[in-house]
Amino acid sequence: GAVVSQHPSWVICKSGTSVKIECRSLDFQATTMFWYRQFPKQSLMLMATSNEGSKATYEQGVEKDKFLINHASLTLSTLTVTSAHPEDSSFYICSARDRGRTLNEQFFGPGTRLTVL
Amino acid sequence: AQSVTQPDIHITVSEGASLELRCNYSYGATPYLFWYVQSPGQGLQLLLKYFSGDTLVQGIKGFEAEFKRSQSSFNLRKPSVHWSDAAEYFCAVGGLNTGTASKLTFGTGTRLQVTL
Repeated sequence: GAVVSQHPSWVICKSGTSVKIECRSLDFQATTMFWYRQFPKQSLMLMATSNEGSKATYEQGVEKDKFLINHASLTLSTLTVTSAHPEDSSFYICSARDRGRTLNEQFFGPGTRLTVL
Repeated sequence: AQSVTQPDIHITVSEGASLELRCNYSYGATPYLFWYVQSPGQGLQLLLKYFSGDTLVQGIKGFEAEFKRSQSSFNLRKPSVHWSDAAEYFCAVGGLNTGTASKLTFGTGTRLQVTL
């Protein structure tokens, strides 16, 4: 149980285009999802917290207009990288918290590798 | 503010040798502690977690970790390392409940290399 999927697993796009990444909780409902960014050989950095039906909360230094987050249902959150540039190339990982659990546990997706040419 | 320190960036051990990865945390209340493993290009896999009870916790793949409140440490151990254990290991800390301090803070990771 507690499986999180991400789609696509990898994407290559041209500079200036927008890319959407999906994060789904497959066997549980997630009122809260988190988006992380990981540069090569570095740790995970939290970008934003996504709550179902409300606006996402962004961490300091993360451009909300650049990284659009939508959490329209209890099983799906999307991250859209708008007008992507090479410096946005990174590994993006989402996690989800099961609404049925009171403890603070996050279940992680497999990640999406974004390469911007 | 919560923080996690993994002092060892890179560790190399021989297959069959024992392993200990260090993790020190800073958290103002009862911490919820985690160890994750990440293979190259992959997501995170939970090895084990701790928030109460026996301070020695068992995880998957033969890993265990010991919580020492007095030292603010949560070190990961394995008695005999296998070549397949080569990966990046992350320690993380967060609040116990979903209502408060629900963010996870990760350490910078320790890259484990296993020699045959």
